Amino acid sequence: GESVGLHLPTLSVQEGDNSIINCAYSNSASDYFIWYKQESGKGPQFIIDIRSNMDKRQGQRVTVLLNKTVKHLSLQIAATQPGDSAVYFCAENSGGSNYKLTFGKGTLLTVNP
Amino acid sequence: NAGVTQTPKFRILKIGQSMTLQCAQDMNHNYMYWYRQDPGMGLKLIYYSVGAGITDKGEVPNGYNVSRSTTEDFPLRLELAAPSQTSVYFCASSYTGGSYEQYFGPGTRLTVT
Repeated sequence: GESVGLHLPTLSVQEGDNSIINCAYSNSASDYFIWYKQESGKGPQFIIDIRSNMDKRQGQRVTVLLNKTVKHLSLQIAATQPGDSAVYFCAENSGGSNYKLTFGKGTLLTVNP
Repeated sequence: NAGVTQTPKFRILKIGQSMTLQCAQDMNHNYMYWYRQDPGMGLKLIYYSVGAGITDKGEVPNGYNVSRSTTEDFPLRLELAAPSQTSVYFCASSYTGGSYEQYFGPGTRLTVT
């Protein structure tokens, strides 16, 4: 099976709420994780990344949390907006090749106005 | 910068036909990648390159070939197209220092009938 997976394939939230998208990984050798956003008909777009020597990193309205003990990654989006509606992928660099990424299946986030 | 560009945007092939998907980047990135994305799924790595003249297989290379004669261009060749190759194809690039973020093109939607 895939080394990177997601707990929820779909997530629906109200505009203004906070969103949390979860991701599990199985390769303890992974030391870099990244979140991408993919809007319909477009290529994936970088959101935020984190290295294994950190457990939290914040960006603009987004926070990534890394729990290496349980091999879990989450993306938190604050004050979710309709423009945040997209598929969100987590990815890890596994197998010791830092430049190659393994992607999860993605979570579809729908923001209701 | 145009970033990563891909042509064509859409293509319909008959079984057994061949075609080349074009990919170019103007960011002077050494690393380039080809992925396929099937409906509702994540990205699967087909081939990658760490520099001009150097290519290697990814997770799903069967039925595809690549070449890398310049830093900028990384074409993907489909020989004897099969319905199983119906997918959206993304090209990406990354640089060697710092972040392992990959920059994606807009994708090519290919249908084989």
